[in-house]
Amino acid sequence: DAKTTQPPSMDCAEGRAANLPCNHSTISGNEYVYWYRQIHSQGPQYIIHGLKNNETNEMASLIITEDRKSSTLILPHATLRDTAVYYCIVTPRDQAGTALIFGKGTTLSVSS
Amino acid sequence: DTAVSQTPKYLVTQMGNDKSIKCEQNLGHDTMYWYKQDSKKFLKIMFSYNNKELIINETVPNRFSPKSPDKAHLNLHINSLELGDSAVYFCASSQDFSTEAFFGQGTRLTVV
Repeated sequence: DAKTTQPPSMDCAEGRAANLPCNHSTISGNEYVYWYRQIHSQGPQYIIHGLKNNETNEMASLIITEDRKSSTLILPHATLRDTAVYYCIVTPRDQAGTALIFGKGTTLSVSS
Repeated sequence: DTAVSQTPKYLVTQMGNDKSIKCEQNLGHDTMYWYKQDSKKFLKIMFSYNNKELIINETVPNRFSPKSPDKAHLNLHINSLELGDSAVYFCASSQDFSTEAFFGQGTRLTVV
């Protein structure tokens, strides 16, 4: 079972920041927070991951609380192409072959 | 070049038939996976292989048999297809100890 809780859906206006929350209150010390998204009918796409510190890449920023029990994915300027299901996943990285366990995710709808 | 490619993209077949889905990755990764996404859009891990060895075998009927002839390929063979096998099957790959997985575009299997 997924170890994360996400709101089922969110709306965002095009050009505004989209802030997607994730609760992972039972996260272990060796587990990372990963974010993936799935645009309609396509394969899931990696976005970003982190352990303790906040992370930023060309796609998004990841803010992890100090106690690591929750995180927020930020898409700074959402576009229509960001409409997708966003998955927050916590997983260790200490064993080869460890699989991602997907939950229900958050359906983000970006509108003009 | 596509990083993770699956063939076929669509597969329609009758109950009771045997079919195979092929997956190839050109990323040099050591780990490959098969996921199933059902009509409710839940993504579930089926198998993972690391260096051609089976690592994860979730509760999957033994009609499903993965085969990894080399590190770049992980094929999925399904015997005696049933209506409930209808789903989208995704192949993915990642490097050892990293769960930044790259997914294929999926194979939509329809059993009639």
